Amino acid sequence: DIVLTQSPDSLAVSLGERATINCKSSQNLFYSSNNKNYLAWYQQKPGQPPKLLIYWASIRASGVPDRFSGTGSGTQFTLTISSLQAEDVAVYYCQQYYNTSPYTFGQGTKLEIE
Amino acid sequence: QVQLVQSGAEVKKPGASVKVSCKTSGFTFNDYALHWVRQAPGQRLEWMGWINSVNGNTKYSQKFHGRVTFTRDSSANTAYMELSGLRSDDTAIYFCAREYVEVDGLFDYWGQGTLVSVSS
Repeated sequence: DIVLTQSPDSLAVSLGERATINCKSSQNLFYSSNNKNYLAWYQQKPGQPPKLLIYWASIRASGVPDRFSGTGSGTQFTLTISSLQAEDVAVYYCQQYYNTSPYTFGQGTKLEIE
Repeated sequence: QVQLVQSGAEVKKPGASVKVSCKTSGFTFNDYALHWVRQAPGQRLEWMGWINSVNGNTKYSQKFHGRVTFTRDSSANTAYMELSGLRSDDTAIYFCAREYVEVDGLFDYWGQGTLVSVSS
């Protein structure tokens, strides 16, 4: 199985400041035939299901504010929130969809307001 | 709008089976695969498998193979997940999730989750 390791496990950031979450994959998630990284980011608020934020490592899903951005390639990826808002408090997960057996998620990063 | 509405919480004894439903609306059911993902307390999200809504073909994670069965009723736009031989470590929230169109393994809409508690 592809193992995704996020860092840090938890993060406290002041309102308006930048938040950065990392995701490291045990295997390469870049598929050279289509030049895409099979990595997504989800946001999960308490009592809610995950919400798709970013796919193909850097494409924002429909309706996602542009303060959210994804970067990285291969085995190292980053989710950045440029200016933290109160409604961004959540747990964030990365997920790989490169290998179908099975699809796997990171352990999650809990983001709080400092 | 796209909605996936799951059945209510369940409490089961070890060894029992549970069947969770996922009723969809707002899109053409047969155009999308549906996946099942679970989240045990303090654990990461765990993919269980998926069902092709058109033909009912399924693929299960090796971890659950032999214990889990996915079915669907296209006339009711509903998918089902049945897990047998329940153990205490099957206590989790079970989600259905729609696969993003033509992107295998990417989930764009999720059900609200169904809590399954396994306890003697």
